[in-house]
Amino acid sequence: AQSVAQPEDQVNVAEGNPLTVKCTYSVSGNPYLFWYVQYPNRGLQFLLKYITGDNLVKGSYGFEAEFNKSQTSFHLKKPSALVSDSALYFCAVRDLYNFNKFYFGSGTKLNVKP
Amino acid sequence: DAGVIQSPRHEVTEMGQEVTLRCKPISGHNSLFWYRQTMMRGLELLIYFNNNVPIDDSGMPEDRFSAKMPNASFSTLKIQPSEPRDSAVYFCASTHSLNTEAFFGQGTRLTVV
Repeated sequence: AQSVAQPEDQVNVAEGNPLTVKCTYSVSGNPYLFWYVQYPNRGLQFLLKYITGDNLVKGSYGFEAEFNKSQTSFHLKKPSALVSDSALYFCAVRDLYNFNKFYFGSGTKLNVKP
Repeated sequence: DAGVIQSPRHEVTEMGQEVTLRCKPISGHNSLFWYRQTMMRGLELLIYFNNNVPIDDSGMPEDRFSAKMPNASFSTLKIQPSEPRDSAVYFCASTHSLNTEAFFGQGTRLTVV
């Protein structure tokens, strides 16, 4: 079965420091991976995706993610966190062998403190 | 494009009443998903349509839940009768090809009292 795991319910980081939000996946075949962000009372917004190619993917708002096939990970990163980055972050995988469904992780709450 | 449009944004109803949530996907998208988000269960996939046909409804919790997609530009999620445990935020999302992301609506916050 396809799945996505976000091992941290919450990540706390000081403004200006680098941040990492972790994600591991389990899929059959090549993974299609995504990161989304959700601000309070809003829908999920797409940040970035990995389909193929360079393992380092750059996305919106200065975020990037590194695909690591051997570790089956797709961690979200940002070199310098902003208070406005505080939100709920979801990792997702698209299951190409099961009607192209999206599977989402449980979400990680990022708190960036001034 | 205005994005995925959901209505209403908020719905408060009494237990036992019928509730209908609506979704207009992005024009040209041929896949549509309904999700439910709660604190306890996170984001759950309820049902998935492709070309207006329900492909997988294994996530629909009970027979009280039903979803339709009569055409490419409209879908409904109905709960009849509603129960307090159905209180959640319901999201609709759409996409159009194999390797693109899904686009989400703003959600409908349902409260059943």
